Amino acid sequence: EAGVVQSPRYKIIEKKQPVAFWCNPISGHNTLYWYRQNLGQGPELLIRYENEEAVDDSQLPKDRFSAERLKGVDSTLKIQPAELGDSAVYLCASSGSTGRPSEAFFGQGTRLTVV
Amino acid sequence: AQTVTQSQPEMSVQEAETVTLSCTYDTSENNYYLFWYKQPPSRQMILVIRQEAYKQQNATENRFSVNFQKAAKSFSLKISDSQLGDTAMYFCAFMRYNAGNMLTFGGGTRLMVKP
Repeated sequence: EAGVVQSPRYKIIEKKQPVAFWCNPISGHNTLYWYRQNLGQGPELLIRYENEEAVDDSQLPKDRFSAERLKGVDSTLKIQPAELGDSAVYLCASSGSTGRPSEAFFGQGTRLTVV
Repeated sequence: AQTVTQSQPEMSVQEAETVTLSCTYDTSENNYYLFWYKQPPSRQMILVIRQEAYKQQNATENRFSVNFQKAAKSFSLKISDSQLGDTAMYFCAFMRYNAGNMLTFGGGTRLMVKP
């Protein structure tokens, strides 16, 4: 079974440029998460989707960040315009159920460097 | 809000020896779950072990075991017979019961296993 797939693995952009990250969750997983992991820190949740609905986006900086999950499968996280402080690893995860604790499976992340 | 604290930024252990990683957390919840995740240089978060707060018995998974002290809000990870492949970042994480399986992570402990 394929795991959570993210692309690209690395991205270097200049500040003020836009950038997008893509995530393909495990087949059949209804819940999808985007986490941001700053250097030397633990991941922090940005947004959670149940199918195509964003049910928790309180930590998403909405002035420059946006996300979508069309048809409740793949998801895209976008930053426009990027700032130097956005440099981090962006992790996508998915899980199969929210009714009881369900293991979250993580992708390998996208390392973003803003110069 | 929940907080998770890992007070050991870095640890090292000799191959085949035992090491214990510390984690404390703060919550007003009574029902919750605790996890230890491993993050190797590939950046993919891998679940090591989980503990349900209502269970008094400490979880074990092969060479990995936890010491869960609910009253003290402590959740340490013991790795026995350390192997070179155990070298990684280790994150302690908290999950509220029935809250969408969202994880709150600690800051991580970098473990190096020396030959």
